[in-house]
Amino acid sequence: DAGVIQSPRHEVTEMGQEVTLRCKPISGHDYLFWYRQTMMRGLELLIYFNNNVPIDDSGMPEDRFSAKMPNASFSTLKIQPSEPRDSAVYFCASSLAPPNTGELFFGEGSRLTVL
Amino acid sequence: DQQVKQNSPSLSVQEGRISILNCDYTNSMFDYFLWYKKYPAEGPTFLISISSIKDKNEDGRFTVFLNKSAKHLSLHIVPSQPGDSAVYFCAASRQYSGNTPLVFGKGTRLSVIA
Repeated sequence: DAGVIQSPRHEVTEMGQEVTLRCKPISGHDYLFWYRQTMMRGLELLIYFNNNVPIDDSGMPEDRFSAKMPNASFSTLKIQPSEPRDSAVYFCASSLAPPNTGELFFGEGSRLTVL
Repeated sequence: DQQVKQNSPSLSVQEGRISILNCDYTNSMFDYFLWYKKYPAEGPTFLISISSIKDKNEDGRFTVFLNKSAKHLSLHIVPSQPGDSAVYFCAASRQYSGNTPLVFGKGTRLSVIA
């Protein structure tokens, strides 16, 4: 079975450019999460969706970040404009069960470098 | 303010010995705890969990211990193997609050030396 699929795996861009990260969750999973991993903050939740509806976006750093889930099989995380401090690994995860159960399945991540 | 703390960024252990990874939490509402393991260039994968009604949960070479009064948990790996070299994330949640997502620590990088 295919797991969570993220693209691109690596992205290098210049400050000020728009970045779009993509995620395809596991089929049938009702919950989708976007996490960011940095050395300083570890794994932090940015936003999560339930049945394509954003439930908690309190982790989104600022208005430059936006996330959408137009259907059950696709989500995007957009950064516009990007800044060097956005450099991190961005993980998408999906879950069949509610978020408190911890049964998250992560993708391989998108490593973003903003120069 | 970190609610889940992993104060050791890294740990090195000889193959065959015990690895002990520690985690502290500050939120007394947390009652379900998990460990995830992450290899380079891969996403984290679930390893083991424990509910606050228990103080120990074992799965093969992996055992998690929970000390609620100290708000502390630890992951023991016995015996350690080179394939255990990875970053280990501790996470916590509220078991009966469905919309409360996991809170992760910063991770501890374990190196098992052959």
